[in-house]
Formats: sequence, C-alpha cells, structure tokens
Amino acid sequence: KNQVEQSPQSLIILEGKNCTLQCNYTVSPFSNLRWYKQDTGRGPVSLTIMTFSENTKSNGRYTATLDADTKQSSLHITASQLSDSASYICVVSRANDYKLSFGAGTTVTVRA
Amino acid sequence: DTGVSQDPRHKITKRGQNVTFRCDPISEHNRLYWYRQTLGQGPEFLTYFQNEAQLEKSRLLSDRFSAERPKGSFSTLEIQRTEQGDSAMYLCASSLSDLNTGELFFGEGSRLTVL
Repeated sequence: KNQVEQSPQSLIILEGKNCTLQCNYTVSPFSNLRWYKQDTGRGPVSLTIMTFSENTKSNGRYTATLDADTKQSSLHITASQLSDSASYICVVSRANDYKLSFGAGTTVTVRA
Repeated sequence: DTGVSQDPRHKITKRGQNVTFRCDPISEHNRLYWYRQTLGQGPEFLTYFQNEAQLEKSRLLSDRFSAERPKGSFSTLEIQRTEQGDSAMYLCASSLSDLNTGELFFGEGSRLTVL
C-alpha cells in the first residue's frame, strides 16, 4: 500500500475558482512534506516544502497546510488560471532517508 | 542554464535494443537520483548517488539496468535489451544536501517508448 495517498485523482475547475487537493500519509518518522507541480511531459517543479513545525506555507496563489498529528496536508489553489492545469504531487520524506515517498498525484484541469 | 539537464528528451526504440540516458545535475550538487514514472503515477525511486558512489539500487532495477556517475558529476542510465514494460519517463534529480532539509530539483525527464 502506498504510504502517500492523494485525493481526488482528478478534478476540473473553472478559471478563477479555487480548489483544494488532499494528501494523507503514513510515512514515519516524518521529516518533511513537499508539493510539486508537474506539467504534462515535463519534470516536477517544487511548490512548497514544510517541516514538522510548519502548519502553512504559501507560494503565490498556492497555499499548503500540514497537520503532522493527523498526517494530512492540503494544497489550496486560489483564483485558478489556465496555466495551473497540471498534476500536483505530494511527496513525503522519512527522517534520515534519501528515498522519498510519492503520491500518485492529482490532475487539475482549469477550463476557461 | 543552471538546472538539471537530461538528454535525450525522447527516445523511441525497438524491443531488444540498448538505450542510454544522460543527466547533468546542478553543478556542486553531490547527490543525484534516478526515478521512473509511468502514466498517472508518481515517480518511483531507482537509484541514488552521493558523489561517484552508488549507494542504493532499487529492486525495480533489473540486471538490464545500470547507472554510473564516473566523476561525481554527470550520470548515465543504461537499459540493455529493452522490453515494452520499460516504456516510461526517466527522471533525474539532484540535491546539494540531504533531503531532511534540502531542495530536490528535477530535470525535464527522458521519455522512453519501446515498440
């Protein structure tokens, strides 16, 4: 069973609307959680990285939250744009380990 | 350009042929990772180098796969006797420090199609 589960698998939103993506993980001991954006056919690009003590982190219109107690994270996209259409991947790092645990991603499609 | 560079971006080959991918990490990054990604899935760890030393190789990597990083700079991933199941995106990433705190930077990937 994957140690990082993302939901929904995909979603479609209208341009200008907001959306929230979910990530649940079981990785332990926890080190940090990252969100990446991956455009079709391209490599992932980092959006945020949060450690145990951080509850929220923003990068422009992207805001990530982390609840290390419940092992849940969310990525909120505000005022979506067509360029936000991509796969968003949640990645969790185990302490003192170089192997990351990747979620399968949520595919976001923004329509005009 | 100071990002992670991968070459070629696309490779189409016939089953049974050998292919080689190259990765140039960000300069001074001593850690280099290879991942494989299939459609609709997140990347899967293949192997990890710290400088020129290959510290781990996933059991996903059969004997047909070999990776090198001869001088601790660029790396190559070779697949011998390719099979259709090898069709995937092969991603290279590098980091300056360990992943407890360090950023991980990905290349644009090398997409392999085995006919």
